[in-house]
Amino acid sequence: SQKIEQNSEALNIQEGKTATLTCNYTNYSPAYLQWYRQDPGRGPVFLLLIRENEKEKRKERLKVTFDTTLKQSLFHITASQPADSATYLCALDIKSGGGADGLTFGKGTHLIIQP
Amino acid sequence: GAVVSQHPSWVICKSGTSVKIECRSLDFQATTMFWYRQFPKQSLMLMATSNEGSKATYEQGVEKDKFLINHASLTLSTLTVTSAHPEDSSFYICSARRGGRDEQYFGPGTRLTVT
Repeated sequence: SQKIEQNSEALNIQEGKTATLTCNYTNYSPAYLQWYRQDPGRGPVFLLLIRENEKEKRKERLKVTFDTTLKQSLFHITASQPADSATYLCALDIKSGGGADGLTFGKGTHLIIQP
Repeated sequence: GAVVSQHPSWVICKSGTSVKIECRSLDFQATTMFWYRQFPKQSLMLMATSNEGSKATYEQGVEKDKFLINHASLTLSTLTVTSAHPEDSSFYICSARRGGRDEQYFGPGTRLTVT
């Protein structure tokens, strides 16, 4: 079955440093991979989408890489700020038998940026 | 742009009653809407996919007669939890996708507590 693993449940980073989060997957070849931010008691907020034929994508202080050979995506936040503290979710598209193409999510990494 | 709302944000109901949750895309037309469920400390799990005017497609293990989904327009989908039981208590989150786009925009979620 499809499996997504995010490197750690919690990650503590000092303010100003680069935070790097890892997402590994098995038994699947996704057409694209997405990263979301989720704050406690709230729905996920879309951050970035990267396709299987793309190696890297950037948006302001965010950068995502996608290595389909390693089956891994890295998510970087540069010049991290305490406001970046949240849970970050990695998600892949599902292709179920019913034709649905929702998302399957990793458990997330709780990022804490310390002042 | 791409704002999704949910109503209510939280609801408490008695065991055996039914609860309806609304999901609306406020500034775009959503060809597809998705319903997810999230238990404490767990990741989001896809329950079903709905396309406007079509029957919903349910993920394996999700009872379609218990979780009724209606997607009557391009901006509104509803999830009705019928004959709710305490084990149905969870955080229900909807998402919407524009036609031709892959990223999903999530609502703020609905906290359901069944007593």
